[in-house]
Amino acid sequence: GAVVSQHPSRVICKSGTSVKIECRSLDFQATTMFWYRQFPKQSLMLMATSNEGSKATYEQGVEKDKFLINHASLTLSTLTVTSAHPEDSSFYICSAPRGISYNEQFFGPGTRLTVL
Amino acid sequence: GQSLEQPSEVTAVEGAIVQINCTYQTSGFYGLSWYQQHDGGAPTFLSYNALDGLEETGRFSSFLSRSDSYGYLLLQELQMKDSASYFCALDGSARQLTFGSGTQLTVLP
Repeated sequence: GAVVSQHPSRVICKSGTSVKIECRSLDFQATTMFWYRQFPKQSLMLMATSNEGSKATYEQGVEKDKFLINHASLTLSTLTVTSAHPEDSSFYICSAPRGISYNEQFFGPGTRLTVL
Repeated sequence: GQSLEQPSEVTAVEGAIVQINCTYQTSGFYGLSWYQQHDGGAPTFLSYNALDGLEETGRFSSFLSRSDSYGYLLLQELQMKDSASYFCALDGSARQLTFGSGTQLTVLP
């Protein structure tokens, strides 16, 4: 099946620094990717829709200047958490649909961010 | 907006059948998906209902009734490895998923 990778899997950083998370579709092209955040024992919350060649679409309440998204190619989307704070500590997961004829979405393995 | 409700926890024994219900509120959607997530892992796709009725995939089946704003996931012949969180999710016009709160399934020996 289709594979989506994320890097890094874990990152620990100091408050105030920026962290970049990469999401790659390994065997298919993804014009659209999605970024979710999941706090412990909670559901996945959609943060933004990443569109190749255009600006990302952010969900209400998500600061676009804090969570920078770049969809550089048909296989790569990046999420940069700028000036990270402890409350940004979470599990960040990306997903990609393989195409409009596929109902399944493929999720990356996630990135555990801890901000000290 | 959209919202989905699921039971927070379900417990069953190996070999049993369990049903996880999902009720939702939305102004429109393309389909209802079900995903499984083990602790610390990525969600994995289980089933999808675009139309009303039952979809069967091996030990898993999913049902949708748009008129009742209701769906369920049925797991048969439960195995220990089925212990995980299960999420229903609405598939929107841009393929974005809105997830329910999740149901923690515990399978006992």
